[in-house]
Amino acid sequence: KQEVTQIPAALSVPEGENLVLNCSFTDSAIYNLQWFRQDPGKGLTSLLLIQSSQREQTSGRLNASLDKSSGRSTLYIAASQPGDSATYLCAAHNYGQNFVFGPGTRLSVLP
Amino acid sequence: DTGVSQDPRHKITKRGQNVTFRCDPISEHNRLYWYRQTLGQGPEFLTYFQNEAQLEKSRLLSDRFSAERPKGSFSTLEIQRTEQGDSAMYLCASRGEQAPYEQYFGPGTRLTVT
Repeated sequence: KQEVTQIPAALSVPEGENLVLNCSFTDSAIYNLQWFRQDPGKGLTSLLLIQSSQREQTSGRLNASLDKSSGRSTLYIAASQPGDSATYLCAAHNYGQNFVFGPGTRLSVLP
Repeated sequence: DTGVSQDPRHKITKRGQNVTFRCDPISEHNRLYWYRQTLGQGPEFLTYFQNEAQLEKSRLLSDRFSAERPKGSFSTLEIQRTEQGDSAMYLCASRGEQAPYEQYFGPGTRLTVT
């Protein structure tokens, strides 16, 4: 059974810093891994999806990497801004199974 | 297309009452998922549909929960005899059949059982 964890649970950084959020999964036979952003009381917004054949994906200031052999994905946020403050969730999708989410990392970017 | 929509956005009900939520997926998506999310946790899978067929249900989905997708378009999630432990955000997501199988989420329905 797939299990997904995220470290740290919460992170507070000053504006302008580069930061890395970590996602670990126990079953490396994933089909893809998706990163989401969630603002308080809202639904999830898809940020990046990495397929198992890929090692990374980039969108603007975001870069997500995937290392299936070690069961890890990282989300790199460059030049953080207060508007980046939100909870970031990763979800692993295994063949023939449903998406399994991590508990999220709550990010605060201080002006 | 405006994305996944959910109705209502908020619902307050008394313990023991029945509630029904609706989800309208992205029109060309044939897969529809329901999740439940409690404070500080990631979404937990409840059930999913491929067209009108309900293909999988989580053990989290007790007998008081039922979901339908009668014409393969919108879906409803009903909770009977609500309990305080049912208080949560109920999220709906949809995806198509083409890779990379990206999921798109609705805004969620926040349920509070008093």
